[in-house]
Amino acid sequence: AQTVTQSQPEMSVQEAETVTLSCTYDTSENNYYLFWYKQPPSRQMILVIRQEAYKQQNATENRFSVNFQKAAKSFSLKISDSQLGDTAMYFCAFMKHTGANNLFFGTGTRLTVIP
Amino acid sequence: DVKVTQSSRYLVKRTGEKVFLECVQDMDHENMFWYRQDPGLGLRLIYFSYDVKMKEKGDIPEGYSVSREKKERFSLILESASTNQTSMYLCASSPLGRLLAGTGYEQYFGPGTRLTVT
Repeated sequence: AQTVTQSQPEMSVQEAETVTLSCTYDTSENNYYLFWYKQPPSRQMILVIRQEAYKQQNATENRFSVNFQKAAKSFSLKISDSQLGDTAMYFCAFMKHTGANNLFFGTGTRLTVIP
Repeated sequence: DVKVTQSSRYLVKRTGEKVFLECVQDMDHENMFWYRQDPGLGLRLIYFSYDVKMKEKGDIPEGYSVSREKKERFSLILESASTNQTSMYLCASSPLGRLLAGTGYEQYFGPGTRLTVT
């Protein structure tokens, strides 16, 4: 079974600063996908960034980047130059490479960007 | 733009009622999913479907059933609502069927239905 752990229920960051959200996972799979999803207050969940486990290079999307450590089963999200619109719940999620396309989610981290 | 819509944003039902939650997607996606979201528990998969009339149980299917008669519509049914089913319910869809799994496509989520069972 796959499990995803987010050990930081809540975090805050000053506007324009950098923050890192942690995620670890447990799996016996060798190939898989990892995701960070963002759920703003009262708004729909959207994808922030995706990492393929067989790619060594860390994924980046503008101000968002990940630190993927496969051996340690760690997948942290770094948000640079934090903006007020980054205030949201952030969920880390795992998807197996083969089989059903369902996601296994962590419990989420509530991030507040302080002006 | 992919659009996933859910029939209600807020719903209040009584214990024992049969409840239908509807989800519609407009991008011809094969996969559709129902999750429930609870504080401190994240999102947990209830059921998913990778084709019309096909369904598979997720992690917490007890007390729920689903129906997928048309590709664009996936319904979640609470046969006899109970107070422990008070939750936020999220529907999602993604492209490609089960046999073509492995492409890591993202899931597109609806706005959610906050269900209260009293």
